[in-house]
Amino acid sequence: GAGVSQTPSNKVTEKGKYVELRCDPISGHTALYWYRQSLGQGPEFLIYFQGTGAADDSGLPNDRFFAVRPEGSVSTLKIQRTERGDSAVYLCASSSPGGTYNEQFFGPGTRLTVL
Amino acid sequence: AQSVAQPEDQVNVAEGNPLTVKCTYSVSGNPYLFWYVQYPNRGLQFLLKYITGDNLVKGSYGFEAEFNKSQTSFHLKKPSALVSDSALYFCAVSQSGGSYIPTFGRGTSLIVHP
Repeated sequence: GAGVSQTPSNKVTEKGKYVELRCDPISGHTALYWYRQSLGQGPEFLIYFQGTGAADDSGLPNDRFFAVRPEGSVSTLKIQRTERGDSAVYLCASSSPGGTYNEQFFGPGTRLTVL
Repeated sequence: AQSVAQPEDQVNVAEGNPLTVKCTYSVSGNPYLFWYVQYPNRGLQFLLKYITGDNLVKGSYGFEAEFNKSQTSFHLKKPSALVSDSALYFCAVSQSGGSYIPTFGRGTSLIVHP
């Protein structure tokens, strides 16, 4: 079966613009995570979905960041009024339902560059 | 709160030699520990995890890790390194009964020389 896919693979935008990043998880995985990874750092948690609802959005840095998962499958991370500091690789991961002991399956990431 | 430390930014080893990538953790309860590997321009791939039971965990590609509760460590090991093992390695921790959100270390770059 297919793994986690993310589109686009690269996104270059100008400061102040709006961007959307898409994640398509593994079929049947109800848990979905968004992370941000800067150079030389590990993944930094942004938001976690269980099904359609955001179970934990405590990692979103401010109200310019928002994510949805309307049908419990595909998720979109939305960033308004982008800033240069938003430049990073945005990773999506999914896992089998339940528990903190399940490994996550990561997509290849979207590299966002804000000029 | 939970945290992970990977004290080495880079580990260099000759092909055929044993390798160790270090990880220490801090949690308030029982830990769940994970190792992931990241190849260039790829997402993270799961290698192995410790949940409970035997302290020595075996995973993909010949890797293993040893859980040491007294030293709060979960070092990644391989008896004989391959050049193709060269990648970024991340340790992560979550905890029993805690948040579903794992905390990742900063990563260790493993370089295996021919």
